[in-house]
Amino acid sequence: GAVVSQHPSRVICKSGTSVKIECRSLDFQATTMFWYRQFPKQSLMLMATSNEGSKATYEQGVEKDKFLINHASLTLSTLTVTSAHPEDSSFYICSARVAGGGSYNEQFFGPGTRLTVL
Amino acid sequence: DAKTTQPPSMDCAEGRAANLPCNHSTISGNEYVYWYRQIHSQGPQYIIHGLKNNETNEMASLIITEDRKSSTLILPHATLRDTAVYYCIVRGDYNNNDMRFGAGTRLTVKP
Repeated sequence: GAVVSQHPSRVICKSGTSVKIECRSLDFQATTMFWYRQFPKQSLMLMATSNEGSKATYEQGVEKDKFLINHASLTLSTLTVTSAHPEDSSFYICSARVAGGGSYNEQFFGPGTRLTVL
Repeated sequence: DAKTTQPPSMDCAEGRAANLPCNHSTISGNEYVYWYRQIHSQGPQYIIHGLKNNETNEMASLIITEDRKSSTLILPHATLRDTAVYYCIVRGDYNNNDMRFGAGTRLTVKP
């Protein structure tokens, strides 16, 4: 099956710094990528949807200036957490939808990035 | 709002079949039923999906009721490695990008 990678898998940063997380589709092209956040013992929450070459669409309550998303190519999307604070500590997961359309479009998920803000 | 309802937790004996139910009474005609699972601290893993017919693959079987208002994921011979949170998700056709997760069912397979 299709593979989605994330880098880094784990990051620890100081409060006030910015952190960039990369999401890559390794063996397929993805016109749409999704970013999720998951707090301990909770479900995944969709943060934003990004389409290649256009601005991301953010879910209600997600600050677009704090969580910058860039989807510059069909295989790479990045999430930058700006001025991170301890409450941003979470498990961030990306997902990529296979390009090509049709009545069924499978989404593949990355392994996640554990962010800890001190 | 979650489109699906699942029991919060279930136990299953190793080697036995695990039957995980999901209610999706408001499902519309062009929406698929997807099942994913998440093992601790990993990304979700795709299991199976269906529209209205029952489906089977190497991992599981998906049984969808005739009215499509509920479904059951069946793991035929559960192993300890099947312990995970299982998510049932309803999602529309390719014009609808949303894959939204509910609370899921935490399945514990016991020896």
